[in-house]
Amino acid sequence: DAKTTQPTSMDCAEGRAANLPCNHSTISGNEYVYWYRQIHSQGPQYIIHGLKNNETNEMASLIITEDRKSSTLILPHATLRDTAVYYCIAVKTSYDKVIFGPGTSLSVIP
Amino acid sequence: EAQVTQNPRYLITVTGKKLTVTCSQNMNHEYMSWYRQDPGLGLRQIYYSMNVEVTDKGDVPEGYKVSRKEKRNFPLILESPSPNQTSLYFCASSPGQPPYEQYFGPGTRLTVT
Repeated sequence: DAKTTQPTSMDCAEGRAANLPCNHSTISGNEYVYWYRQIHSQGPQYIIHGLKNNETNEMASLIITEDRKSSTLILPHATLRDTAVYYCIAVKTSYDKVIFGPGTSLSVIP
Repeated sequence: EAQVTQNPRYLITVTGKKLTVTCSQNMNHEYMSWYRQDPGLGLRQIYYSMNVEVTDKGDVPEGYKVSRKEKRNFPLILESPSPNQTSLYFCASSPGQPPYEQYFGPGTRLTVT
């Protein structure tokens, strides 16, 4: 399974775009990039996922580099409720272990 | 409402006393999984199940057992709990292999004294 690395913490001003990077340099062709977030100690919440192409949904955008070695999650207009730990993980298309790292703690500042 | 439920939500127990944490989903999902979360370590997968009667080890299976006799239920069993199993536990389910996402339960906070 590909290992992902993320910054430990980031700050973002309320109303601005939050750009959260993720490095997955060993990702294989059959692994998707998924993003989840966890607010306080609640159950993690799915945000978005992608394989090769950039993706957008009502919550966020996912930009994956052409070589697939890194990606960026973009929250276009961060609010205080976006303060959470964000996890970037690589998940195989076949059933296999899922590995979460410690994630990035995002603080949205008023 | 589509959801993953866990019981109990909080549990304090003593070393060696067998316990079961239940997990149930009402979405007819094939895949279910258990994670534990400890400060600074993120989520670590304990066991996962691809369907009824099919389970496999995650990253940290030692000291835990699971069973999947029905599609909706995936209990986590601690036969002889120890203090190092004090943790926050999450159950998750998914319709199947990626590109499906996982749906997480609310968590069970377990303390073993």
